[in-house]
Amino acid sequence: EVQLLQSGGGLVQPGGSLRLSCTASGFTFSTYIMSWVRQAPGKGLERVSGISASGDTTYYADSVKGRFTISRDNSKNTVYLQMDSLRAEDTAIYYCAKAAVADKHYYDYWGQGTLVTVSS
Amino acid sequence: EIMMTHSPATLSVSPGERATLSCRASQSVSGNLAWYQHRPGQAPRLLIYGASTRAAGIPARFSGSGSGTEFTLTISSLQSEDFAVYYCQQYNNWPLTFGGGTKVEIK
Repeated sequence: EVQLLQSGGGLVQPGGSLRLSCTASGFTFSTYIMSWVRQAPGKGLERVSGISASGDTTYYADSVKGRFTISRDNSKNTVYLQMDSLRAEDTAIYYCAKAAVADKHYYDYWGQGTLVTVSS
Repeated sequence: EIMMTHSPATLSVSPGERATLSCRASQSVSGNLAWYQHRPGQAPRLLIYGASTRAAGIPARFSGSGSGTEFTLTISSLQSEDFAVYYCQQYNNWPLTFGGGTKVEIK
């Protein structure tokens, strides 16, 4: 059974940092693209970042470029999202998501979501 | 960036009725379109990929159609668990983009 278990998140002041983690099981983690998708309060879904299976290629939405860093440790079946210089508009539920197939960026499994609140 | 637009924003439907949701892309995405169901407090669930292929375990009452810029998700007979927000997502071009969603509510 595929599972994506998220951790991290919480309340942070503007300008602060947080790291989200997502640990996978039930599939060959090292062969799939992984992404982070968020949903701000009252808003739709936004793909924040993605990382190739090997970790050598990363993707960022313009809204987080230069502030967020995605990485993965295939030996630990874990993908991370380091979030720096956080802003109020980064407040959202963050989901990690697994690409369904190797070269297509739609997502068949999602983590349970973790709330990030940026507020003073 | 390709904009994805849902219509309507909210759809009021009685249980057992048919629901038809539309998604329009600002430029062609070929058949690279997915649909997700999102219930409050849960993770999104993949329903349809490739515009018309049901994902594993998705009931046959869900069907997708369309190509290019116009897409449709049809729920043939709404069940209580189908009341949720539905999102389309294009994966043809970077950046990947989602629509703003259609909320399907009980009439």
